[in-house]
Amino acid sequence: AQSVSQHNHHVILSEAASLELGCNYSYGGTVNLFWYVQYPGQHLQLLLKYFSGDPLVKGIKGFEAEFIKSKFSFNLRKPSVQWSDTAEYFCAVRGNNRLAFGKGNQVVVIP
Amino acid sequence: DAGVIQSPRHEVTEMGQEVTLRCKPISGHNSLFWYRQTMMRGLELLIYFNNNVPIDDSGMPEDRFSAKMPNASFSTLKIQPSEPRDSAVYFCASSPRQGAGDSGYTFGSGTRLTVV
Repeated sequence: AQSVSQHNHHVILSEAASLELGCNYSYGGTVNLFWYVQYPGQHLQLLLKYFSGDPLVKGIKGFEAEFIKSKFSFNLRKPSVQWSDTAEYFCAVRGNNRLAFGKGNQVVVIP
Repeated sequence: DAGVIQSPRHEVTEMGQEVTLRCKPISGHNSLFWYRQTMMRGLELLIYFNNNVPIDDSGMPEDRFSAKMPNASFSTLKIQPSEPRDSAVYFCASSPRQGAGDSGYTFGSGTRLTVV
């Protein structure tokens, strides 16, 4: 079964700072990769996904992620965060139709 | 499309009582998933169905938990008897057939369960 690791569970940064969240996975087969965001009190929403092709994928709200196959990584980035980006971010890996989540990164953006 | 619909949004019950959580997936999606979210364990997959058939229930914590999907538009997750440690947010998600063009999973708004 696949597994997902996310580091730096709590991240605090100021508006306009750059954000990078790391995600590493383990799975022996073909994977699909996702980043979800969960705003306070809400359900998970898809930020972006990678299935194949260009390893640099762009999602909603200015987020992007890069798939590096050799490193089994799918890191999320945003060049300049806003207060409204305060949320929890989950990396997820789908293999064999099972979606496994990392523990999440709690991101707090200070105005 | 109304998305994945879960009910109730909040449930408070006493220990020992039966709890039933409900989920209506997106029409046309052929896979349905139940997740539990807690501070300690994060998001855990409890069980998933493919074409109404349970495929993997290895995440179901114990026999007190059961899930059914009698048809393509409805699923239930039942806890009997409930215990305080079952307190969590339970999410239902559905997805279309896995493929290059699919959008992954769509999550419902969740049911926040509190067992006192």
